[in-house]
Amino acid sequence: EPEVTQTPSHQVTQMGQEVILRCVPISNHLYFYWYRQILGQKVEFLVSFYNNEISEKSEIFDDQFSVERPDGSNFTLKIRSTKLEDSAMYFCASYNFRVLQGTDTQYFGPGTRLTVL
Amino acid sequence: DQQVKQNSPSLSVQEGRISILNCDYTNSMFDYFLWYKKYPAEGPTFLISISSIKDKNEDGRFTVFLNKSAKHLSLHIVPSQPGDSAVYFCAASDVTGNQFYFGTGTSLTVIP
Repeated sequence: EPEVTQTPSHQVTQMGQEVILRCVPISNHLYFYWYRQILGQKVEFLVSFYNNEISEKSEIFDDQFSVERPDGSNFTLKIRSTKLEDSAMYFCASYNFRVLQGTDTQYFGPGTRLTVL
Repeated sequence: DQQVKQNSPSLSVQEGRISILNCDYTNSMFDYFLWYKKYPAEGPTFLISISSIKDKNEDGRFTVFLNKSAKHLSLHIVPSQPGDSAVYFCAASDVTGNQFYFGTGTSLTVIP
C-alpha cells in the first residue's frame, strides 16, 4: 500500500519563527497538496502544486507561506514567521489525477501538528 | 463561501444497520467527489470516489450516490460496524483537480 509520509509528527515553535514541514509524496504521483485543520474545524485547502509550480492557492496561503519540491521527492511547506493562529494539523496529500476516470485517490499523510507558542 | 456542506455534524447507528451520510455542494463545475474517513490525530483516509459521469459507485460495504441535479451526494455503509466510527468528510473538485473543497465532516458512531 503506497503511503505519504510527513516529518516531524509534532513541531513546537515560538511565534515569529520559521518552520519547514516536510512531506514525501507517493513516488509516481504528479499533484501535491497541503491542507490544514485547526482543532475542531474542517480540513482547509492551502495550496496545490503540479509540474514544479503552484497550481492554485487559497486565501489562507499568503506571503508568509511557500512550497518547494527541492529534490524531486520531498515536498515542503515553509511558514516564514509563524503566528499563534497557525497552530493546526498540517496534512500533505498527493494524487495521480486522471480526468473523470474516477479511479484515482488522493492519499494523505499522517499530518504534522504545529504548535505556535 | 462554503461550497461543500455536510449539514449533520453527527450520526449514531446501530451495528448492522445502514449508515447514510449526506453532502451537498453548490458549485456546478464540480466533477469529482470523494469520501474520506478520519480518526483523531490521523490524516484523512480515502474511502470511495465518484465522477460526474456516474450516479453510483460501489466498493464493498460502501456505496456513493450522486444526484447532480440536486447537487447532492450520499455515502451508504451497509452493514455498519463499530470500526466505522470516525469522522467522514466529503470533498469535491472540478475537472482540473487543482483544489479540493472539504465539507465540515459528520461524526459517525456505530453502537455495538
